Amino acid sequence: GAVVSQHPSWVICKSGTSVKIECRSLDFQATTMFWYRQFPKQSLMLMATSNEGSKATYEQGVEKDKFLINHASLTLSTLTVTSAHPEDSSFYICSATGRLTSGANVLTFGAGSRLTVL
Amino acid sequence: DAKTTQPNSMESNEEEPVHLPCNHSTISGTDYIHWYRQLPSQGPEYVIHGLTSNVNNRMASLAIAEDRKSSTLILHRATLRDAAVYYCIREPPGTYKYIFGTGTRLKVLA
Repeated sequence: GAVVSQHPSWVICKSGTSVKIECRSLDFQATTMFWYRQFPKQSLMLMATSNEGSKATYEQGVEKDKFLINHASLTLSTLTVTSAHPEDSSFYICSATGRLTSGANVLTFGAGSRLTVL
Repeated sequence: DAKTTQPNSMESNEEEPVHLPCNHSTISGTDYIHWYRQLPSQGPEYVIHGLTSNVNNRMASLAIAEDRKSSTLILHRATLRDAAVYYCIREPPGTYKYIFGTGTRLKVLA
């Protein structure tokens, strides 16, 4: 149990276009999802916290108009990189937290989505 | 997180124990300490976590200093499959907000 799926796993886009990345909890309801960004050979940096049905909370220095987050259901959160530029090229990873039917709390990471902006 | 520091890289021989240190000198008294590992182009994988007491599971052991300013992840017998980047993470209690350390790239030599 506790599987988180990200789609697409990799995407290439032209500069100026927008790209949407999905994060889905497959077998549990995710009350909260987190979005991280990871540049090559660097650690993961938390970008924002997403709660179902409410606006995302962004970390300091993260542009909310640039990285649009929608958490419309208990199993899906999306990150849209708007007007992408080469400096937005990165590995984007989500994590989801919720409760299994067993009652156990879980936090699981997705496999990540690699964005390359040309 | 600049306040959670780890060695950039470490090497170990296969079948030998590995001790991966983490310095979190500014950790608050209630932050959890997690360890995850990451293979290239994959998401982080859970290894172990603790608060104050040392912890053991089938993957590893976690030794937490008495003052909680540092911790050590112990892999008892390293295998080639343990080669990864290991992250020490602090989590303010109940938030699930993971603040990642700098990470240690572990190389296991056959």
